[in-house]
Amino acid sequence: ETGVTQSPTHLIKTRGQQVTLRCSSQSGHNTVSWYQQALGQGPQFIFQYYREEENGRGNFPPRFSGLQFPNYSSELNVNALELDDSALYLCASSLELAGLEQYFGPGTRLTVT
Amino acid sequence: GEDVEQSLFLSVREGDSSVINCTYTDSSSTYLYWYKQEPGAGLQLLTYIFSNMDMKQDQRLTVLLNKKDKHLSLRIADTQTGDSAIYFCAGEGDYGGSQGNLIFGKGTKLSVKP
Repeated sequence: ETGVTQSPTHLIKTRGQQVTLRCSSQSGHNTVSWYQQALGQGPQFIFQYYREEENGRGNFPPRFSGLQFPNYSSELNVNALELDDSALYLCASSLELAGLEQYFGPGTRLTVT
Repeated sequence: GEDVEQSLFLSVREGDSSVINCTYTDSSSTYLYWYKQEPGAGLQLLTYIFSNMDMKQDQRLTVLLNKKDKHLSLRIADTQTGDSAIYFCAGEGDYGGSQGNLIFGKGTKLSVKP
């Protein structure tokens, strides 16, 4: 059984650019949630995907978007990057929407300059 | 919506017990969680407690839940230097009908001195 993996590990982008982050869910998990963790803060919920459909979104603007694929892997896309988007982006997978036992990946560290 | 508060720092000696405290505002979470984050790493689920329980023990970890006061605590017995990390308390949010999304506190940085 493989855990949650994310790519890339680190990324540096310029303000105004677009970025795509990737997440492979744990084997058998059909729900992926994305979180943003700014430095010194707790993670904040961005959105959740369940069986390829968005199933809830936190207080993030529309330039944050996502996809989930038939194999339940997921992408997070951020357009028009701003300096405040610099953060650790975490994805978490779980089975059937349950918050119980969400398993987190190691994260992607995004720096916007 | 849910708001979760934690003290930011805790320093203990190796072998002592550590107690990390958390308060929350919304009583609707079915479960409350404790996660651990080591430097440069993602989050590791340590333990969770069902909302109708008062206490849960899991090896060196003891979780206490006071629903009346909306207070959650995590006790680590015989704290080791390897326990040095940031500990997050989390409740369940409800964004746009989604289930299972978590609302985290800012984290408590535990430093264990030898």
